[in-house]
Amino acid sequence: GENVEQHPSTLSVQEGDSAVIKCTYSDSASNYFPWYKQELGKRPQLIIDIRSNVGEKKDQRIAVTLNKTAKHFSLHITETQPEDSAVYFCAASSGSQGNLIFGKGTKLSVKP
Amino acid sequence: SQTIHQWPATLVQPVGSPLSLECTVEGTSNPNLYWYRQAAGRGLQLLFYSVGIGQISSEVPQNLSASRPQDRQFILSSKKLLLSDSGFYLCAWGGWETEQFFGPGTRLTVL
Repeated sequence: GENVEQHPSTLSVQEGDSAVIKCTYSDSASNYFPWYKQELGKRPQLIIDIRSNVGEKKDQRIAVTLNKTAKHFSLHITETQPEDSAVYFCAASSGSQGNLIFGKGTKLSVKP
Repeated sequence: SQTIHQWPATLVQPVGSPLSLECTVEGTSNPNLYWYRQAAGRGLQLLFYSVGIGQISSEVPQNLSASRPQDRQFILSSKKLLLSDSGFYLCAWGGWETEQFFGPGTRLTVL
């Protein structure tokens, strides 16, 4: 089945710097790759997603890139702000079931 | 629009007591439904998922069980709670290769 690895597990940046979180997946049949942000004590919420027919997608300060050949995708946050501090999860759809398989999460801290 | 409800929001239970957490979805029909558990500071562990009434798949062996008595209702149960059952329980709904929408969660503390 699908396996998703996410790195790093923690990331600390200065306000205004960029942050990059990387994920790899194992199932070549995966077609859908969402990213979720979870603030402390709250539910995960989708911030951006990408499908396998697209290599890059951008939404203001957030972008996701996908390399299907290498089976990895990344989240890029530019001009980070303290409110970006949260746990970020990547996920990949399971080719056989359509479910999402989540990475273990990255705790991002943005220091003012 | 679709909404997802979970209750209770918080729960404190003694070891060995039973558990029943409920999740209901509005505004959609025949959704895939999921139960996740999140230990403090940890990732999302998929416990169960359901593609229809009475259809439950278990991802992890444990002392928990799930049921789907109605199309938009998903219940997580246990006959006897363990200390290790403490955590943040999230219900979610979604379709095939699409976004999953999470409920507000239930924070369970087993003492």
